Amino acid sequence: AQKITQTQPGMFVQEKEAVTLDCTYDTSDPSYGLFWYKQPSSGEMIFLIYQGSYDQQNATEGRYSLNFQKARKSANLVISASQLGDSAMYFCAMREEQTGNQFYFGTGTSLTVIP
Amino acid sequence: DVKVTQSSRYLVKRTGEKVFLECVQDMDHENMFWYRQDPGLGLRLIYFSYDVKMKEKGDIPEGYSVSREKKERFSLILESASTNQTSMYLCASSGVGISSSYEQYFGPGTRLTVT
Repeated sequence: AQKITQTQPGMFVQEKEAVTLDCTYDTSDPSYGLFWYKQPSSGEMIFLIYQGSYDQQNATEGRYSLNFQKARKSANLVISASQLGDSAMYFCAMREEQTGNQFYFGTGTSLTVIP
Repeated sequence: DVKVTQSSRYLVKRTGEKVFLECVQDMDHENMFWYRQDPGLGLRLIYFSYDVKMKEKGDIPEGYSVSREKKERFSLILESASTNQTSMYLCASSGVGISSSYEQYFGPGTRLTVT
């Protein structure tokens, strides 16, 4: 079974609008961490935001927030006030405490911001 | 500033050649990873290493081997390159644990073409 599922291969958003990128995960470990990365066309992977399974509040980092719904096993990334520079691939990833070292990545969502 | 470097950004090799991809990190991280990235498939783990001389197979180890003789350096080896190994190869490193302090840091990637 897939550990991380991203069901949106491509998304479009108007500049200055908000957009939600979906991510669902599968784990039986009560202790895990969820990560979002951005990959612009240049290829580098940029860490955006982190959510721990025991964190009571949704994580936020500037224009990025993580809508964490533990019972649904979803960790959607919300980008507010989209900018042209947000056009990129976005990857959701998970790390479990019991497997420790390994990260599991989704297949990614390609976001295009339209002027 | 944390850094993961990879020996080449672009590489062209012939079928049957032995190929070495080098990765160096300067963060004293215990864990190092090799992924390949293909359109629509996201990042797939080839191998990872959690200590010097220690390695674990990932999801797609066939056709690859790795070497970690020093903590800062993790090499990916294609013993006999084939055209289906044409891909983007990403190296990453991380500390131990699942908190945001232990996100993965990525190198710039090596785009390998096997002809």
